Amino acid sequence: RKEVEQDPGPFNVPEGATVAFNCTYSNSASQSFFWYRQDCRKEPKLLMSVYSSGNEDGRFTAQLNRASQYISLLIRDSKLSDSATYLCVVNEMNTGFQKLVFGTGTRLLVSP
Amino acid sequence: DTEVTQTPKHLVMGMTNKKSLKCEQHMGHRAMYWYKQKAKKPPELMFVYSYEKLSINESVPSRFSPECPNSSLLNLHLHALQPEDSALYLCASSPTPDREYGYTFGSGTRLTVV
Repeated sequence: RKEVEQDPGPFNVPEGATVAFNCTYSNSASQSFFWYRQDCRKEPKLLMSVYSSGNEDGRFTAQLNRASQYISLLIRDSKLSDSATYLCVVNEMNTGFQKLVFGTGTRLLVSP
Repeated sequence: DTEVTQTPKHLVMGMTNKKSLKCEQHMGHRAMYWYKQKAKKPPELMFVYSYEKLSINESVPSRFSPECPNSSLLNLHLHALQPEDSALYLCASSPTPDREYGYTFGSGTRLTVV
């Protein structure tokens, strides 16, 4: 089983749509979680951290369910500029050192 | 300065060449990382440096040799690479190695081995 699993997509949605991405992780000891965004041939960029209480940043909402080891990202009112690959990332502490483990990413295509 | 700077941005090298990738940050971060990303795959951890010492080597072949000359600089020395080593090499840093902060990534070096 992969450490961090995501549906690779692509998700094709029209502008203005709401889209949700899901992610599951295998290491129950993981303590912190992130969503990164990666544009084609660019580096990953932090989109938002994910907390158990849920957190919102504008059109983006992230949720964490520790019991189910499940993370989600909701994008409302999709824009063309949201087209990218969204990486679910889990921070694992490995012998005292943090280590980011990336999911395979979910590709989003927003069309006019 | 809130950036991680990587040079060169692009590199083409032959299988008998020796080259080095450079990564620099001036944020006072004490943990630095090398990741490798193949096309359509997620980044995979190669090395972790903590306070200028190698802390994690994810079973990376010896043709990749990391070096951390000081707290701001991280190098990756390349020797006798194979075409399958062609990838995007990403450097990242975080404030400390032992607390769970997110990383700041550099823009990467796109390496092609011919």
